[in-house]
Formats: sequence, structure tokens, C-alpha cells
Amino acid sequence: QKEVEQDPGPLSVPEGAIVSLNCTYSNSAFQYFMWYRQYSRKGPELLMYTYSSGNKEDGRFTAQVDKSSKYISLFIRDSQPSDSATYLCAMSPHQIIQGAQKLVFGQGTRLTINP
Amino acid sequence: KAGVTQTPRYLIKTRGQQVTLSCSPISGHRSVSWYQQTPGQGLQFLFEYFSETQRNKGNFPGRFSGRQFSNSRSEMNVSTLELGDSALYLCASSSIHSGANVLTFGAGSRLTVL
Repeated sequence: QKEVEQDPGPLSVPEGAIVSLNCTYSNSAFQYFMWYRQYSRKGPELLMYTYSSGNKEDGRFTAQVDKSSKYISLFIRDSQPSDSATYLCAMSPHQIIQGAQKLVFGQGTRLTINP
Repeated sequence: KAGVTQTPRYLIKTRGQQVTLSCSPISGHRSVSWYQQTPGQGLQFLFEYFSETQRNKGNFPGRFSGRQFSNSRSEMNVSTLELGDSALYLCASSSIHSGANVLTFGAGSRLTVL
């Protein structure tokens, strides 16, 4: 079993819909949780990160972490065709000394927003 | 501020050959990580360098190696290529944001092994 599980999709929704992307994990030591977005033929880019449990909002994006359930989510409100990309969750165990820890990634969910 | 630069962007090799990929991190970033991305396995950690020292290594065979130079530029090498080495190889340099290790990725080097 992988440390981080993410449904690869593909997920296709109409423009304007609310999108929910999720990851589950097994390692209770994970404390930092990140979401990356990857467009075709590009490297992943960081969308948001959170520490421990709770919510974080940035514009149309909201990240949620439920450590008791080992479950994290990314919500996209008012989805746009430009949001079409692969979304990857990533986690790391504890506070980082610069560069000393690897991130563990989910497999990524391919999302398409249809105009 | 220039991003992470990876070269070459695309390359085709045959089984048994070896390949060297290059990465220039964001100016001032001293940590460089390498990841392999495939459709089946997703992003898998290869290794991480900081100030020319390998600090972390993933579960890859010894055919995969890397190094970092004094200017923080990094190279990774794969010897005796196998078909299964076909992948997107991503380099990332890192900075710390509120304690979180934030990776900034390059566009990747897409390797095809025939």
C-alpha cells in the first residue's frame, strides 16, 4: 500500500462547478500538506500548503486537512477551463531543515473543466 | 528571478546507453532534489543534495546517481538504461516558507528509452 493515495481520475466537470480533490495517507507523522498543479508539458507548481489540521483559503482554492482521518482535500470554487491540469497532493513528516526531507506525492488527479 | 532550468528538455536513448541530465536551481537555493515521474508510479523521489552533499536518497538502483557542484548546479546520471527508465525527470530547488519545504520544479527532462 502506498503512503499517499490519490484517485488518478480523470475528473471532468462543467465550468463554474465546485471541484473536490482528495488524498488519504497512512503515515501519521506527516505534518505538512501541499497541493501542486501540473499543466501538460510543465513541472508541478505549488498551489497551497498547510501545516497540521485545519483549513486554508486562497482565492477560489481551499485546502482542508483532517489529521484524525488522515484525509486532505482541495476545493476549487467557480472552476475555470484554465484550471484544467493534474493536481498532486504532497506531504512531509515534520518541520524541515532546508532541503533535508523528501516530499511524498500522490499519483495526481487529472482534472478537465469543460466550457 | 529565473526559475529552475533543466536541460535537455527531451532526449531519446537506447537500452544500455547512459544519460546525464542537468539542473540549475533558483539563484540562492542550495538544495536540489530530483524526482522521476511516470504514469504508473507518479512522482518518486530520487535524491536530494545540499551544499554538494547527498542528504537523502530514494529507493532506486545504483544505476541512478547524482552530484552537485559548488555553484549549486546539479546533474543526475543514469547508466545502463532500461526501457523502464523512460520518464519525466524533474529537478526542484527548495526554500523554506513558515517551516515548510517548498519545492519549485523545473519543466523536466523527458527521457525516452528505445
